[in-house]
Amino acid sequence: LAKTTQPISMDSYEGQEVNITCSHNNIATNDYITWYQQFPSQGPRFIIQGYKTKVTNEVASLFIPADRKSSTLSLPRVSLSDTAVYYCLVGGLYNQGGKLIFGQGTELSVKP
Amino acid sequence: DAGVIQSPRHEVTEMGQEVTLRCKPISGHDYLFWYRQTMMRGLELLIYFNNNVPIDDSGMPEDRFSAKMPNASFSTLKIQPSEPRDSAVYFCASSLVGSTPEAFFGQGTRLTVV
Repeated sequence: LAKTTQPISMDSYEGQEVNITCSHNNIATNDYITWYQQFPSQGPRFIIQGYKTKVTNEVASLFIPADRKSSTLSLPRVSLSDTAVYYCLVGGLYNQGGKLIFGQGTELSVKP
Repeated sequence: DAGVIQSPRHEVTEMGQEVTLRCKPISGHDYLFWYRQTMMRGLELLIYFNNNVPIDDSGMPEDRFSAKMPNASFSTLKIQPSEPRDSAVYFCASSLVGSTPEAFFGQGTRLTVV
C-alpha cells in the first residue's frame, strides 16, 4: 500500500481558502485517492475521491497532477466548523475491496 | 437508514474483564471494518470482513482480541481479558464496494479499562 505524507497541522482564518497537500510517491496505477474528515468524538466522514486531474463536489475540490504522486484538497472559504482532522488515503474500496489505511492526518484549525 | 450503529457508546471496565463491542452495519453493505483510535497510534485498522467472512485480521493486536460477523447485520469485537492499554475509541464502518467509494463510520465506542 502506498504511504502518504501530509502536514501534521495547519492554521487558517474564516473565509480563507485552505489547501492541504498529500504526498504519495508510491501510488499504484489502479489506486484512487480519497480524503476523509473527522470531527472530535465522531467517526471519519468521506469528503471526496479522485483518480486524476480535478474533482469537485459541494464540499471540496481535489487536484491531482499528471504524475499522481501528490494531491491537494482545497476547501473554499472555510468556517469555524471546518476545524477537523483531514486524512488522505491511497488505494481504497475500488481496489477489489482494498483496505482503508489512515495515516496521521492533518489537523486543521480555523480561527475567527 | 440509520447509519452504522455501535453499542455501547461508552464502556468502563476493570482490567481482566471481558468486553464486547457491537456493530450493526448499513443494510445491504458487504464490507465491514473495525478500527481503533488512540492519540498515540492514530486510527488503526484491526480487521475487515467481506460478506461476513474475515478477509484480513493482521491488525488485530493480540490473541486477546477476536471479531465475528455471524450475519450480514451484526458484528462483534471482543477483548478478553481487557487491559488498560486497550483503552481507546473503537469504530466500526461499512461499505458497499463497487457502488460508492465511501465507507460509513459509526459514532464509535469509547472504552476505558481501569
